[in-house]
Amino acid sequence: DAKTTQPNSMESNEEEPVHLPCNHSTISGTDYIHWYRQLPSQGPEYVIHGLTSNVNNRMASLAIAEDRKSSTLILHRATLRDAAVYYCILTPGGGSEKLVFGKGTKLTVNP
Amino acid sequence: DAGVTQSPTHLIKTRGQQVTLRCSPKSGHDTVSWYQQALGQGPQFIFQYYEEEERQRGNFPDRFSGHQFPNYSSELNVNALLLGDSALYLCASSSMAGIWDITDTQYFGPGTRLTVL
Repeated sequence: DAKTTQPNSMESNEEEPVHLPCNHSTISGTDYIHWYRQLPSQGPEYVIHGLTSNVNNRMASLAIAEDRKSSTLILHRATLRDAAVYYCILTPGGGSEKLVFGKGTKLTVNP
Repeated sequence: DAGVTQSPTHLIKTRGQQVTLRCSPKSGHDTVSWYQQALGQGPQFIFQYYEEEERQRGNFPDRFSGHQFPNYSSELNVNALLLGDSALYLCASSSMAGIWDITDTQYFGPGTRLTVL
């Protein structure tokens, strides 16, 4: 299983952008990059995914390095509801493949 | 549209007992995966069921077994409970078409909190 490395924790202020980094130096050419987040007392929820190109959706943006060895999840304006543990996960195929979670990054958002 | 539902919400058992957890997938989904999440850790993959068969399995002992029913709902059974089995058990559903369709994702339920005393 391809591994990812994320900072244990990050802090942000409300209404400011947040950049959550993820290193995946052993990524293979067919691995997809997924981000899930887990709010307190809830199951994980999908945030965004990508392969090579940068991606945007209503929740966030995903910036993927040209060599694909790292990526950054961007929350454009953090809110208190974005406080969660964010997981960066690689899968060899589609969305139904098993997810290998690390410890993730715990994001604290200050009012 | 109901999302993924799990029952019960909380459960307390003693060592050596057996437990059954239940999961109903999101409407339209045919694949169910189970994860174990210990306190302060990320979820760990237990196994995945599709077409009533175990499709993939993580590094868990045979004490952990499962079942999928024709309506796609699923059960997770754990025998001979150990203190270390105390955790949040998460169920995730998806569509097997998601293997080829990257636009599909997994949807998680709220989990069952199992405490083994």
